[in-house]
Amino acid sequence: DTEVTQTPKHLVMGMTNKKSLKCEQHMGHRAMYWYKQKAKKPPELMFVYSYEKLSINESVPSRFSPECPNSSLLNLHLHALQPEDSALYLCASSQDPSVDEQYFGPGTRLTVT
Amino acid sequence: GESVGLHLPTLSVQEGDNSIINCAYSNSASDYFIWYKQESGKGPQFIIDIRSNMDKRQGQRVTVLLNKTVKHLSLQIAATQPGDSAVYFCAENGSSNTGKLIFGQGTTLQVKP
Repeated sequence: DTEVTQTPKHLVMGMTNKKSLKCEQHMGHRAMYWYKQKAKKPPELMFVYSYEKLSINESVPSRFSPECPNSSLLNLHLHALQPEDSALYLCASSQDPSVDEQYFGPGTRLTVT
Repeated sequence: GESVGLHLPTLSVQEGDNSIINCAYSNSASDYFIWYKQESGKGPQFIIDIRSNMDKRQGQRVTVLLNKTVKHLSLQIAATQPGDSAVYFCAENGSSNTGKLIFGQGTTLQVKP
């Protein structure tokens, strides 16, 4: 299994809602990542988890809260988002942070109204 | 600062021709480079990678060339097909070993039938 899965595929939420994005991989990878991608732009790194511990937070606002319940799962909890947070949210994984090849999921298309 | 850039935002080629997508990087300490293909509505898909101890690497219909002297990376696609139409991103690791990839701005490849 060489796949990273993400749910939901699409999400529309209001600015007062609380929602969560989910990511799963069964490749035995020990590093997992959240990226944000705006239209016609490259992915921007948000968070890196290494062996289930948060290792990088790229100064992301606290309305985004990551969680890594176990080595296969990665969540992104969303609360009080702004319309400018609308984007494609991508999850990726790699064998570990020192192994550079990252495998991406299909993303969650988030719209904040 | 660190940056990875692509020379052309859009490249249009005829089906069957060879395509060359270019990328310039600025961090001479980067020792790993990777090309991703992103089709509309999908996550980035790994194409090919190369380490700094090599200057050429070939895959199926794709070749990556690395010129460390001028900090230039290119992706060559042989016999371009309509299914190759996508946005192509190069990325470098900045020699960080933290899992952080620095992406270029992307080149859109359009294949004309």
